[in-house]
Formats: sequence, structure tokens, C-alpha cells
Amino acid sequence: EAAVTQSPRNKVAVTGGKVTLSCNQTNNHNNMYWYRQDTGHGLRLIHYSYGAGSTEKGDIPDGYKASRPSQENFSLILELATPSQTSVYFCASGGGFNQDTQYFGPGTRLLVL
Amino acid sequence: QQKVQQSPESLIVPEGGMASLNCTSSDRNVDYFWWYRQHSGKSPKMLMSIFSNGEKEEGRFTVHLNKASLHTSLHIRDSQPSDSALYLCAASTGGYKVVFGSGTRLLVSP
Repeated sequence: EAAVTQSPRNKVAVTGGKVTLSCNQTNNHNNMYWYRQDTGHGLRLIHYSYGAGSTEKGDIPDGYKASRPSQENFSLILELATPSQTSVYFCASGGGFNQDTQYFGPGTRLLVL
Repeated sequence: QQKVQQSPESLIVPEGGMASLNCTSSDRNVDYFWWYRQHSGKSPKMLMSIFSNGEKEEGRFTVHLNKASLHTSLHIRDSQPSDSALYLCAASTGGYKVVFGSGTRLLVSP
């Protein structure tokens, strides 16, 4: 099964601070995704990438940046964290029979005070 | 922007019963549907996918797809307490982007 890891698993940040969430996948998948999950909203796409060096805006990109320096790594950056960004963040990679089948990391729980 | 609607929001079924979950896309170009299962505190895991009209069965799980109505449904027979989870439907028009619904929370009562 695809292996996707995320760090940190839990993070407490202060309002206005910078937060970087990291994701690593070891299965040579082309596509990687960042989602946030809040009660009642399911998974909402923040940014995605279809290969090293590419990043694309998802449905809720405001306040977030993304970076894909290599096939394996995809980061989500909150330059100026706000309490509304308190959430659980999931990274996913796409591969296998159909490129859009996604394999999720364990998630990062972020609390912005 | 494509929307994926799931119903019901929550569902309680007795152990051994049948659970039926529904999902509809708003995009007529949708080509692919997935069902993911997410246990509490865990990450989503792909359960089943369906790309062609008709029915697909894997063990206790059956998925139906009607592309004309952009509707898919997931049926779980002989439901077990371990099936209690959030079920997420996802849809794609074939590009890189996948849209998820807000999920159906299933509780199987012993």
C-alpha cells in the first residue's frame, strides 16, 4: 500500500506566525494534494501538484501557499496563521490503477491560538 | 465548480442490517466516482471505485452507478460495528482534481 507520511502530527501556533506542514510519499506518485477537514465540510482541497515544481490552487487556497521541490515532498505553508485555519490537514498522493485514486497521510492537527 | 452531495448526513443501522448511502455530482462531465471510509481519528482510505454504469460488488459492499443521473450509491449488507465510520464520496471529471462530498456518518448498533 502507498506510504504517505506527514509532519508534524500535532502543532500549536500563534496568530500571525508562520506554519509549515510537510508531506512525504515514497511511491513515486505524480499527484499530491493538501486538504483540510472540518466538521460538516468533508475534505476541501487547498492546493495540489501534478509533479515536481508544479503547484495549483484548489478550492480554498486563500491564506495558504504550497511547494513541491521534489517528486516525494509537498509542503503547505501558512505565512500568517489565523484561528480560522485551525483544522485537521491531510496530504494525499495519487497513483495506482487510476491516477486519481488517492492515498492519505495520517493527518496533522493544527491549533492556531 | 463541481459539488458532490451526499445523503443522508447520518445513518444508524442495526448490526446485521443493510446500510444504503447516496451520492450525486452536479457536473455532467463527471467520469469517476470513489467511496472512501474514514474511521474516527484516522485518515480516509479508498473503499471502492466505479467508472462504468452498473453495479460492482466486493464482499459485503456493492456500489451502483447511474451516469445519466450522476448518482452513485453504496450498500453495505450484514453491517458490522466495525463499519461505523464516515463515508466520503469523491468524483472527478478525469483531470487531476477530485471533489469530495461532506460525508455520511454511519453508526452500526450492536
